[in-house]
Amino acid sequence: AQSVTQLGSHVSVSEGALVLLRCNYSSSVPPYLFWYVQYPNQGLQLLLKYTSAATLVKGINDFEAEFKKSETSFHLTKPSAHMSDAAEYFCAVSNEAGTALIFGKGTTLSVSS
Amino acid sequence: DTGVSQDPRHKITKRGQNVTFRCDPISEHNRLYWYRQTLGQGPEFLTYFQNEAQLEKSRLLSDRFSAERPKGSFSTLEIQRTEQGDSAMYLCASSSLTDTQYFGPGTRLTVL
Repeated sequence: AQSVTQLGSHVSVSEGALVLLRCNYSSSVPPYLFWYVQYPNQGLQLLLKYTSAATLVKGINDFEAEFKKSETSFHLTKPSAHMSDAAEYFCAVSNEAGTALIFGKGTTLSVSS
Repeated sequence: DTGVSQDPRHKITKRGQNVTFRCDPISEHNRLYWYRQTLGQGPEFLTYFQNEAQLEKSRLLSDRFSAERPKGSFSTLEIQRTEQGDSAMYLCASSSLTDTQYFGPGTRLTVL
């Protein structure tokens, strides 16, 4: 069965600091991996996705993630945090394109000035 | 492309009542998904459709829950005899066959 573990339910950084949100997955087949962001009282917005092409995936708003098969990880990074990045971030996995997504519990990112 | 829309955005009901939510997907998206999200948790998959066919249902979808997509366009999710444990955000998403899922703003259900 597939699963996603997001390490750290809450991450706090200063504006301009590196953002690192951790995601480990479990999948019996090559996975499709996603990062979504959710602002309060809104739906989820896709940041980036991995679909077996390049292992380093670039997304919107300068976010990127690296697929490491040996570590079963798909950590999300951003070189310099902005106040507007404060939100809830979810990592998700599916074993087939266009099927059910399995989400992690989420990580709340706080950004202080 | 106006995005996925959901109606209503908020619903407050009393325990035991039936509620129905509507989702309008992005036009020409043939797959439509329903998820439930409780406070402090990630979304949990409930069911999905390809056109009008319901292809997969989660064990979370009890007998009190039913979803339809009669003409392969909009979808409805009905909860019968609501319970307090049904209080959650209900999210709808749509996609083309193998593409990214795009989410709507959700319907927040509160069962008193």
